[in-house]
Amino acid sequence: KAGVTQTPRYLIKTRGQQVTLSCSPISGHRSVSWYQQTPGQGLQFLFEYFSETQRNKGNFPGRFSGRQFSNSRSEMNVSTLELGDSALYLCASSRSPGQGAGTQYFGPGTRLTVL
Amino acid sequence: AQKVTQAQTEISVVEKEDVTLDCVYETRDTTYYLFWYKQPPSGELVFLIRRNSFDEQNEISGRYSWNFQKSTSSFNFTITASQVVDSAVYFCALRNPNSGYALNFGKGTSLLVTP
Repeated sequence: KAGVTQTPRYLIKTRGQQVTLSCSPISGHRSVSWYQQTPGQGLQFLFEYFSETQRNKGNFPGRFSGRQFSNSRSEMNVSTLELGDSALYLCASSRSPGQGAGTQYFGPGTRLTVL
Repeated sequence: AQKVTQAQTEISVVEKEDVTLDCVYETRDTTYYLFWYKQPPSGELVFLIRRNSFDEQNEISGRYSWNFQKSTSSFNFTITASQVVDSAVYFCALRNPNSGYALNFGKGTSLLVTP
């Protein structure tokens, strides 16, 4: 079974631009979560989607948004990029929140650099 | 509030040594889940193990073993006879269903195994 895929793998943007990252979950998984990883803050939860609905959101500004499609694929968008948005963005999928611990399986990440 | 502490920032061992990675967690909830993930240089977080708060059995998987002790709020991870391929950053994480689906990660322990 194919794992979580994320595109693109690397991205370079300049301040003020916006960016869209994509995530395809493991087949059969309906829940998708996004995390930001930086050297200073570590791994931080951004948001989680299930059945096209945002179920949970971390403590990030409104510039960070996301959505989920009917096929469970998800996108996250960051508008008006700032230098501090440079990070590794990780997507994780799981079967559904209601089944046990809902182990999350991660993709390879998208490395975003903001210049 | 939930918190995960990995006090060891970096550990360096010589191949074939045993090494234990410490994880201490804080939560007020009686039901929770603990996880360990491995992040090799490629960046992808690899799931290693999940434990439920109501199951304190220790687990062994090959060279890996985990010691879960609710009395001390610890969930330590031991690698026996370490190998160079074990070099990675290891993250301990906590999830409480009542707090949504988010994983709360520790800062990680960077393990370097040298030949």
